[in-house]
Amino acid sequence: EAQVTQNPRYLITVTGKKLTVTCSQNMNHEYMSWYRQDPGLGLRQIYYSMNVEVTDKGDVPEGYKVSRKEKRNFPLILESPSPNQTSLYFCASSLRGSTDTQYFGPGTRLTVL
Amino acid sequence: GDSVTQMEGPVTLSEEAFLTINCTYTATGYPSLFWYVQYPGEGLQLLLKATKADDKGSNKGFEATYRKETTSFHLEKGSVQVSDSAVYFCALRTADSWGKLQFGAGTQVVVTP
Repeated sequence: EAQVTQNPRYLITVTGKKLTVTCSQNMNHEYMSWYRQDPGLGLRQIYYSMNVEVTDKGDVPEGYKVSRKEKRNFPLILESPSPNQTSLYFCASSLRGSTDTQYFGPGTRLTVL
Repeated sequence: GDSVTQMEGPVTLSEEAFLTINCTYTATGYPSLFWYVQYPGEGLQLLLKATKADDKGSNKGFEATYRKETTSFHLEKGSVQVSDSAVYFCALRTADSWGKLQFGAGTQVVVTP
């Protein structure tokens, strides 16, 4: 089944404790992206990747890192999480770019205390 | 900068009523425009898109027409069902930003029997 998976689905952590949210797709998509969803703000793009080893900043990249060493995986890294990073995070992928249909993962709800 | 403005929700309707969700945008050049839908507890799904002026996107009974003169992309459905209850997001991608996708804040739609 074609899908985007994220892990974990729920995470409660404390300020400053490094964490990684994994994202994997099995559709051989070139494009992958991370978003955060906050009430009243919609989705805001954090980082995106056009292909392996090609990443670029979205609108709200501060406090986040990403890497794209393999086509299928696009982990989101929070080196030193802070409470303002409490949010619902979505990973998405598409065949080539953001105009192609994006397939979203189920979301990761992160709480930073 | 680029931005998308949607009407605030929630929008509450009875089954079989007509639905309109307003979306206007600010962008340089000629963006591609999208409507995404998020059902409760799920990630987003592409509902429809339009890539040039006067294009009409349609899917599942929903329609939206790309109006360059009014910088709008309003979503309409003639007869809603309870299963259309969801959050709807308008989004744009500008021609010079292949990877970036800009979302509106989202509009929650509640359809009652």
